[in-house]
Amino acid sequence: DIQMTQSPSTLSASVGDRVTITCRASQSISSWLAWYQQKPGKAPKLLIYKASSLESGVPSRFSGSGSGTEFTLTISSLQPDDFATYYCQQYNSYLTFGGGTKVEIK
Amino acid sequence: EVQLVESGGGLVQPGGSLRLSCAASGFTFSSYAMNWVRQAPGKGLEWVSAISGSGDITYYTDSVKGRFTFSRDNSKNTLYLQMNSLRAEDTAVYYCAKAMSIAAAGTCFDCWGQGTLVTVSS
Repeated sequence: DIQMTQSPSTLSASVGDRVTITCRASQSISSWLAWYQQKPGKAPKLLIYKASSLESGVPSRFSGSGSGTEFTLTISSLQPDDFATYYCQQYNSYLTFGGGTKVEIK
Repeated sequence: EVQLVESGGGLVQPGGSLRLSCAASGFTFSSYAMNWVRQAPGKGLEWVSAISGSGDITYYTDSVKGRFTFSRDNSKNTLYLQMNSLRAEDTAVYYCAKAMSIAAAGTCFDCWGQGTLVTVSS
């Protein structure tokens, strides 16, 4: 099974900060990686698919990069609505989620 | 507008059974694979099962194989997750999620339902 490791598990940041979250796969997954945002009590929302493709309607301050085993999600300028938990997901072989990164207000 | 509405959750005793449903609307249902993803209280996301658009191919995570059965009725735009031999560790919010393709494998999810809570406890 492919394991997905996210870091950090918690991140404290301020509005306007540039934020980067990392996701590492235990083996190569090419570009078959998605990023989701989840707010408390709500369903996850797709942000990025195929490592760097922005889902329709998602603000352009979100971007994804990487291939193989190392990936990043970047928020260029953190907004109040962005405080949430973020998950990566590989879909190269079955499906596995990372453990999540909670972005908190500093 | 794409909508997914889960139902059927509730409290069940260990060893019991429950059937979840997910009603879909706003897209050509049979053209997309569908999935169930669960989230235990305070924990992360765990993929549970996938089904192809035609319903002839299913996949399950190891912990539910032999206990859960995922099916779909394309005439009713509805998914079903039959859960048998339930355990305390199956306690979670269960989400149905729409895949971005018809294939059951190799796809991520572009739309999710609001979730239904399953609690396994005596």
